[in-house]
Amino acid sequence: QQQVKQSPQSLIVQKGGISIINCAYENTAFDYFPWYQQFPGKGPALLIAIRPDVSEKKEGRFTISFNKSAKQFSLHIMDSQPGDSATYFCAASDGNQFYFGTGTSLTVIP
Amino acid sequence: ETGVTQTPRHLVMGMTNKKSLKCEQHLGHNAMYWYKQSAKKPLELMFVYNFKEQTENNSVPSRFSPECPNSSHLFLHLHTLQPEDSALYLCASSQGRPRDSYEQYFGPGTRLTVT
Repeated sequence: QQQVKQSPQSLIVQKGGISIINCAYENTAFDYFPWYQQFPGKGPALLIAIRPDVSEKKEGRFTISFNKSAKQFSLHIMDSQPGDSATYFCAASDGNQFYFGTGTSLTVIP
Repeated sequence: ETGVTQTPRHLVMGMTNKKSLKCEQHLGHNAMYWYKQSAKKPLELMFVYNFKEQTENNSVPSRFSPECPNSSHLFLHLHTLQPEDSALYLCASSQGRPRDSYEQYFGPGTRLTVT
């Protein structure tokens, strides 16, 4: 059973636009929610993370929105740039291990 | 440079071969992990080592055999693999265990093809 469901599978955005990727979970034991960015030929790298005691976290152009009651969280990339083109993974941890989404391939068109 | 290196980067092996994947972390971390990454699937945690002791084995077939001789090195020994084992194998390390929510640093992966 997939612990973290991620959508969309792929996303195409114009330069300067907003990219939005969504994730949902069921396990209320999850208490840490990171997002990873992966470029071709590289391993995933932590982008931004949030704990469920806050509803939003912003770092530069990247924002996580967290809805604890709906058990959903999303990544917003403002002013998307071609260099943001990569695969993005959401994840959740219950303290024992991380559970990852299936990934979203983002393409930002110049 | 992520501080986690993996060799080889690409590997093609037959179903009867025996090979090993190597991971080395230069970050002074205590925990190391093996993940399997297949297209359109979530990253699958395979093994976790904390201070050289295996703490997780997520029902991985015995044809995959991990070895952690010290906190800086991690190996994945492969034998009699199946074509469905073809995937990107990622190594990661962290300062603490997932319970501590420490960031995991990933290596670039080994692209394995089983013919």
